Amino acid sequence: GQNIDQPTEMTATEGAIVQINCTYQTSGFNGLFWYQQHAGEAPTFLSYNVLDGLEEKGRFSSFLSRSKGYSYLLLKELQMKDSASYLCAAGDSNYQLIWGAGTKLIIKP
Amino acid sequence: IAGITQAPTSQILAAGRRMTLRCTQDMRHNAMYWYRQDLGLGLRLIHYSNTAGTTGKGEVPDGYSVSRANTDDFPLTLASAVPSQTSVYFCASSDSAGGPSEQFFGPGTRLTVL
Repeated sequence: GQNIDQPTEMTATEGAIVQINCTYQTSGFNGLFWYQQHAGEAPTFLSYNVLDGLEEKGRFSSFLSRSKGYSYLLLKELQMKDSASYLCAAGDSNYQLIWGAGTKLIIKP
Repeated sequence: IAGITQAPTSQILAAGRRMTLRCTQDMRHNAMYWYRQDLGLGLRLIHYSNTAGTTGKGEVPDGYSVSRANTDDFPLTLASAVPSQTSVYFCASSDSAGGPSEQFFGPGTRLTVL
């Protein structure tokens, strides 16, 4: 079957670093996406990994290990505006996205 | 307009009524999608269209239908609404020629079926 697992909720402190993990199991694999979704809003794209390794984009980085079916999103220098849900999604053999339930990140001052 | 729009923003509907959710994009993307998002379940694909004139079923298609008469529009119809269709509905599009790519989402429609 196809499955995406990520923690339901995480809490971190403003200015700190947080790592959100995601494990996936799909029929075929065509890349791993991370999206950010603020409460009451639509998801917005953060990153895409198709090869193993780390992709850095400002304060956000995303890592992929295809052999382990594992990815993480790393957020540095946390700001209050980073309070949101972070959605992990894997592309399957039909190029459809299989979505995790999302990780709600709570930032405390 | 720029991007992807949905209408209505929200709707309260009596069970048994027919309802069409509208979605329009101006990015000339070939692929479009309809998702529903329920608390604790994440986004679930209802129907998709890889190009104008073609549609396909996603994970949860029962009770929904779609059409794709042109590139820009992708309406979702609930033929006879039931309370379990209460959800937030997101339309998305992508330029997916040759592989997966970033999906752009509309603002969503919050639907309540009583």
